[in-house]
Order: sequence, then structure tokens, then C-alpha cells
Amino acid sequence: AQSVTQPDIHITVSEGASLELRCNYSYGATPYLFWYVQSPGQGLQLLLKYFSGDTLVQGIKGFEAEFKRSQSSFNLRKPSVHWSDAAEYFCAVVIMNYGGSQGNLIFGKGTKLSVKP
Amino acid sequence: KAGVTQTPRYLIKTRGQQVTLSCSPISGHRSVSWYQQTPGQGLQFLFEYFSETQRNKGNFPGRFSGRQFSNSRSEMNVSTLELGDSALYLCASSAGLAALIGQYFGPGTRLTVT
Repeated sequence: AQSVTQPDIHITVSEGASLELRCNYSYGATPYLFWYVQSPGQGLQLLLKYFSGDTLVQGIKGFEAEFKRSQSSFNLRKPSVHWSDAAEYFCAVVIMNYGGSQGNLIFGKGTKLSVKP
Repeated sequence: KAGVTQTPRYLIKTRGQQVTLSCSPISGHRSVSWYQQTPGQGLQFLFEYFSETQRNKGNFPGRFSGRQFSNSRSEMNVSTLELGDSALYLCASSAGLAALIGQYFGPGTRLTVT
């Protein structure tokens, strides 16, 4: 069955340090991959998405992610973390139906990011 | 543009009751999806509506239902509430095929069942 795994439940980094959040997917076809962020008491906000083409995608708020088919991974990175980045981050993959006319998001369990001053 | 709005934001119900949650999508968006978020199960897809038709459905019991009106506003109903239905219910809207375009999420309705 298709699934998304985020191995790290909670990560703490110092402000100004670099960040990498891991995401692995299990999906037979070419995946459509997303990263969302959820701040406390808020809904989810789309950071970036990958459909095809360049395997390094840029998103909002200085985030980027790299698709590696050989490793079935789509890790999220940021070179310098700000205190306002403290939130929960979700990786997701779209599962399309046979005809490709509809699909829904399958989310990982999330990684909570804490930022030390 | 105003974002996705959900009402009410917080709700407390008793086991066995039913509840209706409302979602107003971003103006011009015709797709509305609903998700359930719990600490144990994470984010799970409930269903998607497009132009008043249910286009996709997740793996939830029939107690969970929804509908969409001609103005794209959507409601979600849960009948015969169970303690396990306590969750944050998120609504998301999109202009077209929701999952591929990327969805705009509302702040959610926090449902507590006692």
C-alpha cells in the first residue's frame, strides 16, 4: 500500500543552523509529492510540491526539497532556520485513481520542529 | 481574497449526538476536501467535493457524510458520535483537481466528544 514515512517525530535545531527533515514514500508510479507546514492552532500551508522535472524544488519561506527516486525520498531543507519556523511539518503524496481524474493526499505523521534561541 | 473559513472553531458534543461542520472555500474555488487530524492516526482524508458532487472518498464509516452547495460551501456531518471522533477537522479548497494543484486549508474545527 502507498505510504509516507517521516522517521523523525521531533527535531530541535538552533536558530541559524541548517535543517533537513526526512520523508520517504512508498508508491509504485511517479509520485506527486508535497510538503506542508502547520503552525499551532492553524491549518496547513503548502510549502512546495514536486510533480516532475528538476528534482530540486524551491518553495516559500526559503525552503527547498530534493526528490531522489533511487532512495524514494523527498527531504525538506533550509540553510538557516528562524525561530518562526517552529511548527509541524508534513510530507504528503498524492494517490491517483486509475483514470487519473482524481486523487487524494496521503500524509506522513509529521515532524515537529523546535528552534532553540 | 479571504481564506478558507470553518465554523464553528470549537465544538463539544456528547457521545451519540450528531454534528454538522461548515466550510466556506476561497472565492472561485470549486473543490472542497475534508480531513480528520488526530494524534494517533495523523491526517486522514475524508472526502472531496467538486461542483456539488462527491468526487473521492476516504476510508471512513458511513456515519461521516458531506455535501456541497451550489456556492461551493460545504458541510460535513457526523452522526452517532463516538469518543474516537474527537479530532481536528480540516477543510481545504482548491480551484481544480485538489490534490495536484495544492490545497488551501482552513484553521479547522476542534471537535471534542465526551
